[in-house]
Amino acid sequence: SAVISQKPSRDICQRGTSLTIQCQVDSQVTMMFWYRQQPGQSLTLIATANQGSEATYESGFVIDKFPISRPNLTFSTLTVSNMSPEDSSIYLCSVATGGAGGYTFGSGTRLTVV
Amino acid sequence: GQNIDQPTEMTATEGAIVQINCTYQTSGFNGLFWYQQHAGEAPTFLSYNVLDGLEEKGRFSSFLSRSKGYSYLLLKELQMKDSASYLCAVRDPNAGKSTFGDGTTLTVKP
Repeated sequence: SAVISQKPSRDICQRGTSLTIQCQVDSQVTMMFWYRQQPGQSLTLIATANQGSEATYESGFVIDKFPISRPNLTFSTLTVSNMSPEDSSIYLCSVATGGAGGYTFGSGTRLTVV
Repeated sequence: GQNIDQPTEMTATEGAIVQINCTYQTSGFNGLFWYQQHAGEAPTFLSYNVLDGLEEKGRFSSFLSRSKGYSYLLLKELQMKDSASYLCAVRDPNAGKSTFGDGTTLTVKP
């Protein structure tokens, strides 16, 4: 299965600033997924990042708040913009390993906005 | 859309068997996944069902009934390290993305 390197692992940020999270995959993948997991809750899909096209955002998430880049088939970034304390969460990237292999997740970025 | 339901919490004894249920109502279906997530860690893949029936993998088994919109994860010979959150997820056939249930927190007691 794919191996994903995600960074930073954690950060504490001031409100109003932005943070960019990076995910590097050790193999080429068509789709990368960005999830948010708030404390004690399950994963909520933010968007699907496809190489060569704009990301597809889920209801409740917009590009201005969560811009995504996908410059090639092994790399993606998610930016959390103009942060507020409500953005404090764990952010995870994920790729499909194909068929019955499920999805592999990055180690997550624990964001705290103060 | 997708609606996925799981019990919030379960408790079981070390060495016992526990069954975690998942029901789903979806506009499309292309497989159901179970993931394990320990506190502070990313989810890890446990099992995948796309056809009806039971899939066994060591101490863990997963069952699917598509007509009933129902799955369960069966954990045998429970160990303390099995204490974790177990997430049921359904894959969308068109977009390749998965929708996750809220997860079941399993506590294994001595």
